[in-house]
Amino acid sequence: DAGITQSPRHKVTETGTPVTLRCHQTENHRYMYWYRQDPGHGLRLIHYSYGVKDTDKGEVSDGYSVSRSKTEDFLLTLESATSSQTSVYFCAISESSFDEQFFGPGTRLTVL
Amino acid sequence: KNEVEQSPQNLTAQEGEFITINCSYSVGISALHWLQQHPGGGIVSLFMLSSGKKKHGRLIATINIQEKHSSLHITASHPRDSAVYICAVIPNTGNQFYFGTGTSLTVIP
Repeated sequence: DAGITQSPRHKVTETGTPVTLRCHQTENHRYMYWYRQDPGHGLRLIHYSYGVKDTDKGEVSDGYSVSRSKTEDFLLTLESATSSQTSVYFCAISESSFDEQFFGPGTRLTVL
Repeated sequence: KNEVEQSPQNLTAQEGEFITINCSYSVGISALHWLQQHPGGGIVSLFMLSSGKKKHGRLIATINIQEKHSSLHITASHPRDSAVYICAVIPNTGNQFYFGTGTSLTVIP
C-alpha cells in the first residue's frame, strides 16, 4: 500500500466547532486530494493540491478550507462544522493529475 | 448531471460465476480508473487504462473510447470479491476525477 495515513480515523463533534483532518504521505507525490463519500453519491472532490501552498477547489468546497505547508501533509479544516458535513472523508495522492490515485484509510466524521 | 454512470447498482452472484460491471461516461477522457472498496474498508486501485484491455489475475478491464464505455469482468467469482466497485474518469478538459456511485457486488458461496 502507498504510504498514506489519515488522522483521526473517527471523530464525533458538535455543530459549530472547528475540525481539522490530517492527511500524511510518505510517497513524495505532488498531488493530494480530499474527498467526501456519502450514500447515493460517488466520491466528491472537496479540494486538491498540486504542490506546496498550491490548492484549488473541487465541486463541494463550501464550508471547507485546506492548507499544504509541506509536501507530505494536507490539512482539511471545517471552520464551523454542520450536520451536513457528517461523512466519510478520504485523502488521496497521485504523482500527476493523470496518474492513478492512491487512497488513505478514511476518516469517519459525525457532527451532532 | 452525472458524468459517470455505472450498472448495475447492485449485483448478487453465485460463487464461480462470471461477472460484468459496466461504466459509461459522457465526456472525453484521458484515462479511466477502476477501484474496489470492501465494506467498512479503504479504497484500492485496480486498474487505470486509456485504451484496450488490462488483466490482473481474475480481473479484466476493457475500454472502448469511441463508445465511451468500460467494463470490469471478474472470472470465477469468489466471496472475497464482494465489495463496491467504483469507476472514475479523468476528463480531457480537466485534472479532476469524476466518480460513479459504485456497483455493490455480493458473491454467495
